[in-house]
Amino acid sequence: QKEVEQDPGPLSVPEGAIVSLNCTYSNSAFQYFMWYRQYSRKGPELLMYTYSSGNKEDGRFTAQVDKSSKYISLFIRDSQPSDSATYLCARPTSYGKLTFGQGTILTVHP
Amino acid sequence: GAGVSQSPRYKVAKRGQDVALRCDPISGHVSLFWYQQALGQGPEFLTYFQNEAQLDKSGLPSDRFFAERPEGSVSTLKIQRTQQEDSAVYLCASSLEGRTDYGYTFGSGTRLTVV
Repeated sequence: QKEVEQDPGPLSVPEGAIVSLNCTYSNSAFQYFMWYRQYSRKGPELLMYTYSSGNKEDGRFTAQVDKSSKYISLFIRDSQPSDSATYLCARPTSYGKLTFGQGTILTVHP
Repeated sequence: GAGVSQSPRYKVAKRGQDVALRCDPISGHVSLFWYQQALGQGPEFLTYFQNEAQLDKSGLPSDRFFAERPEGSVSTLKIQRTQQEDSAVYLCASSLEGRTDYGYTFGSGTRLTVV
């Protein structure tokens, strides 16, 4: 079983929709999680990181961790065509090595 | 520079050829990582440097892969006797330190196609 699993999609939504992206993880000892966004032919860029359980909000983005079910979620409100990208969940080791999920391809159409 | 620079952006190699991929991290960044991203997959860890020291090379898939960072800045990933399964995007990332909350700056990658 992979450390972090992610549904690859693809996911297609109309502009303005609320998007929910999800990952599951295998080890309950994991405490930090990160969400990266990757545009086509670009490297991943950090969107948000979260620690432990609960929600973290940044503008239209909300990251949520549910430790009881080992579930990580990223919600995007009022989605825009510019949000079209691949979204990667990741968990870091103590020195920063990242283990990524497979990535979910999101398309927001006007 | 302002970001992590990787060269070449695209490389086509004939099977059996040796290739060298270059990464110029952000000036002053201590930590440097290489990742391999196959089509439709998330990046997979290859190796980690702190300054010039290679502290983790557990992700290198075979002894045909070799990485170095001799002066603690520019890094080169070398693949000998390339195989078709080596076709992927190779990403370099750097950070001030290997801290989880700093995040990393990734380069745009080198897309390697082995024919």
